[in-house]
Amino acid sequence: NAGVTQTPKFQVLKTGQSMTLQCAQDMNHNSMYWYRQDPGMGLRLIYYSASEGTTDKGEVPNGYNVSRLNKREFSLRLESAAPSQTSVYFCASSETIGAIQETQYFGPGTRLLVL
Amino acid sequence: AQSVTQPDIHITVSEGASLELRCNYSYGATPYLFWYVQSPGQGLQLLLKYFSGDTLVQGIKGFEAEFKRSQSSFNLRKPSVHWSDAAEYFCAVGAAIYNQGGKLIFGQGTELSVKP
Repeated sequence: NAGVTQTPKFQVLKTGQSMTLQCAQDMNHNSMYWYRQDPGMGLRLIYYSASEGTTDKGEVPNGYNVSRLNKREFSLRLESAAPSQTSVYFCASSETIGAIQETQYFGPGTRLLVL
Repeated sequence: AQSVTQPDIHITVSEGASLELRCNYSYGATPYLFWYVQSPGQGLQLLLKYFSGDTLVQGIKGFEAEFKRSQSSFNLRKPSVHWSDAAEYFCAVGAAIYNQGGKLIFGQGTELSVKP
């Protein structure tokens, strides 16, 4: 059981380049999330998708776009990368039923360096 | 607004000693509370969670946490630390909205070092 997988594991970009981070989960969860982790700041929510076909902004959405491709896959796109987007990106998924906050399961992360 | 504070950025304990990591939260309703652990270069693994009921919850790897509503705290404890417990620990509060998914608010993290 793979859980949550992310690709790539590591990426170096130049300022202004674009890229897409891929995330897939095999737990049949309805909700998926993208977080970024920066030293001393914990994890901050970028975007989330409560269910297939819906997406919404989190705490730090500027400079990012997302696509919920199907129930399994949720991608994060940087249209024009900036050095401030250097970070570790985590994808997570959970089953959300009504207002119940179920456990979120995290992928291994993507380390992004923007020069 | 919801928030989580972990007052200790870095803690060092001796192997075999007891451990307590502090977590304070701000949330308007009954919170969903979580502790996650992150080993270097790895993703986050759930240690334990509190949804309701018994305020002392048991988790994996011998960890436990106690929810204290009056103090808005959810401190993590372990009676005897092992060298393999060296990692970063994150406290989080859940903010589920009906049929709109659940968003986690994370604390800044506490890095644990273990002395031999």
